[in-house]
Amino acid sequence: EPEVTQTPSHQVTQMGQEVILRCVPISNHLYFYWYRQILGQKVEFLVSFYNNEISEKSEIFDDQFSVERPDGSNFTLKIRSTKLEDSAMYFCASSDPDNPFFGPGTRLTVL
Amino acid sequence: AQKVTQAQTEISVVEKEDVTLDCVYETRDTTYYLFWYKQPPSGELVFLIRRNSFDEQNEISGRYSWNFQKSTSSFNFTITASQVVDSAVYFCALSEARGFQKLVFGTGTRLLVSP
Repeated sequence: EPEVTQTPSHQVTQMGQEVILRCVPISNHLYFYWYRQILGQKVEFLVSFYNNEISEKSEIFDDQFSVERPDGSNFTLKIRSTKLEDSAMYFCASSDPDNPFFGPGTRLTVL
Repeated sequence: AQKVTQAQTEISVVEKEDVTLDCVYETRDTTYYLFWYKQPPSGELVFLIRRNSFDEQNEISGRYSWNFQKSTSSFNFTITASQVVDSAVYFCALSEARGFQKLVFGTGTRLLVSP
């Protein structure tokens, strides 16, 4: 069964460093998303991406964040200068017209 | 604006008890989707069900059942004869019925099933 994959599963970084979280969506999906879940809290939408551009972004998704689909398979989330409050689980998702499918998540720890 | 409320923060039951997780939603859309996800301790989001706003039939899948009532804007989830493996955080979510489906999640209900 096709699935969304994410790497790495856990990333530890120092405050101020740049991180890139990687996702491989399901191959025939057209819509891609990033969500964030701070420990013990709800899952929050960050950004959606369609047709090689951002279709919607939340207030959380400020200038420190960017997304890219550098080739036909990967979908990345970059955080330019990480802050302590960026520590969270980051979920990638892709969808066909009916259902979003979530990846297993990347746990980002900012020290 | 869309909103999902899961008023139950945590529920504790003993194995084999039935348990219902509540979900109340708000939306101005006439067409929308409702979802339930399970998040076990390992952290991934496990899809359980999607329901569109035009289908108010209750659904049963094994020990799981869902009660969708538009009149009260609720989409409740019942686990019959709960098991220890059901221990997890359960999230209800809502999306517009468009091509790209941003999900709005509730705050989740932590279910603890003890032996």
